[in-house]
This record gives sequence, structure tokens and C-alpha cells, in this order.
Amino acid sequence: RKEVEQDPGPFNVPEGATVAFNCTYSNSASQSFFWYRQDCRKEPKLLMSVYSSGNEDGRFTAQLNRASQYISLLIRDSKLSDSATYLCVVNPGTGRRALTFGSGTRLQVQP
Amino acid sequence: EAGVAQSPRYKIIEKRQSVAFWCNPISGHATLYWYQQILGQGPKLLIQFQNNGVVDDSQLPKDRFSAERLKGVDSTLKIQPAKLEDSAVYLCASSVGQLDGYTFGSGTRLTVV
Repeated sequence: RKEVEQDPGPFNVPEGATVAFNCTYSNSASQSFFWYRQDCRKEPKLLMSVYSSGNEDGRFTAQLNRASQYISLLIRDSKLSDSATYLCVVNPGTGRRALTFGSGTRLQVQP
Repeated sequence: EAGVAQSPRYKIIEKRQSVAFWCNPISGHATLYWYQQILGQGPKLLIQFQNNGVVDDSQLPKDRFSAERLKGVDSTLKIQPAKLEDSAVYLCASSVGQLDGYTFGSGTRLTVV
């Protein structure tokens, strides 16, 4: 089983739509969680951290369910500029291990 | 603040040749990472440094890959000899601590022919 699993997509949605991505992680001891955004041929950039209490930043909402080992990202009122790959990222928390990245979910927002 | 600097941006080499990549992290960031990202996949950790010490190199193919961060600031990653399957983007990242989000450099796109 992969440490971090995501649906690769692509998710094709019209402008203004609400879209949600899910991610599961295998290590119950994981300590910190993030969503990164990666544009085509660019480096990943931190979108937001994910806290147990949930986290909202404008049109973006991230949720963490530790019991189910599940992370979600909700994008409301999608813009063309939201088209990118969204990477689910987990710090395994065991020892001193680095962030583990999922393979990403590709979003294409269409006019 | 200045970001993570990487060079070169692109490199094309023949298989069995050697290549080196350079990274200068954000000033004050003690932790530096090298990731390999193959097309269509997420970044995979190659090596993690804390200051000038190696924290994790368990996924580094040590028969051909080596990395160093001698003075605890900039770092180099070397591949010798390169194989076709090494074609990927090599991303350097740095962070203040090991539980913080990372800042990535623009990456080096390596093509092995």
C-alpha cells in the first residue's frame, strides 16, 4: 500500500464549480499534513497546511480525519487559474522522516 | 526573502556520463532535501540533510548517486554513471524545521539519452 494515495484525475470542471479532492495516508503516526499545488513544468508550492480543526483560506478548505486517515481539499467557485496538479503531502512523523508526497490529482477548470 | 536557488535548469547527457546539480537553500534553513520527480509522479525523497549531517538517505541509490552539504549551507547532488531511468526533475527544498512546509527551488530537468 502506498504511503499517500490520491485519485490522479483529471477532474474537468466548469468555472464556478465546487470540486473536492481526497487523499488517504497509511501511517497513523503521521504528524503534519499539507496540500501543495504544482503547475505544469513548475516546482510544487505550498497551498495550505491541514489541521485537525480544519483550515480555510478564501475559496480553499482543507479537512483532516485522523480516525479514517483521510485528508480532503475543497475548492469553491473554481477559477481557470486553479488548473494545476494538487499534491497531498504527509509528514510520517516516525523518526526524522521527510515529507511524503502523493502522486497528485490533476484539475482542469474549463471556461 | 530569496528563494531556493538551483542550477542548472536543464541538462541533457548521454547514459554512463556523470552530472552534478547545485542547490543553495533559503538563508537560515537548517534542513535541506533533494527530491526526484519522474513525469506523472509525485516527488520522491532522495536525501535529507540537517545542517551538514545526513538525516535520511535510505532511498538514495548509493551505487550511482551521491550528495554533500559540507558547510551546512549549499549542497550538490551527483549522478555517476547516469542511466536512462534517471531522467527526471531534481528538486531541492529547504525548511526551517522538519515539521514545517518546504520551499522548493525551480528544479533541474535532467534528460539522459
